[in-house]
Amino acid sequence: SQKIEQNSEALNIQEGKTATLTCNYTNYSPAYLQWYRQDPGRGPVFLLLIRENEKEKRKERLKVTFDTTLKQSLFHITASQPADSATYLCALVLMEYGNKLVFGAGTILRVKS
Amino acid sequence: GAGVSQTPSNKVTEKGKYVELRCDPISGHTALYWYRQSLGQGPEFLIYFQGTGAADDSGLPNDRFFAVRPEGSVSTLKIQRTERGDSAVYLCASSTGETQYFGPGTRLLVL
Repeated sequence: SQKIEQNSEALNIQEGKTATLTCNYTNYSPAYLQWYRQDPGRGPVFLLLIRENEKEKRKERLKVTFDTTLKQSLFHITASQPADSATYLCALVLMEYGNKLVFGAGTILRVKS
Repeated sequence: GAGVSQTPSNKVTEKGKYVELRCDPISGHTALYWYRQSLGQGPEFLIYFQGTGAADDSGLPNDRFFAVRPEGSVSTLKIQRTERGDSAVYLCASSTGETQYFGPGTRLLVL
């Protein structure tokens, strides 16, 4: 069956450290993968997109990797801040279905000062 | 510019009633998506519009759910004979390409 799995437990880290979130998938062949941030009571906000032929993508303090052999994406936030505390969702993009997003359940990140 | 807006922000209804949820996409966005999100889960795809037509409605759970986008802009998600299991946050997103822009959602509670 098709599955997307993210860290099931909340990730608690100290301010200034690097947070690493994991997204694993099975039985999908996504054209690309996206990461979203979601705050309580709000809709998801797009952060980064990485294509199947890209190994790594960076944007400011964020870095995403995509390994289509391992079927895994890693999402890193360096020099984390309390304001980074949120739920982070990975989403596979299925182009053959009109860019439909298939989301994981999300990982809650808590950054403590 | 204005983002995606959804109304109402909250809706409480009784089991068996009919509800309509509205989505105003970003102006000029031809693609519009509806998702449903339950507590502790990621959004789950319901339906996708390209212009006025539903290009993919494979995520609609049953025939009580229906959505329209008559003029290729505003969309309405309609739920008939609501059930308690329909309680969730209904999210709308619009797009012109790879990135989807989400609205704040409508929190539906069926009592």
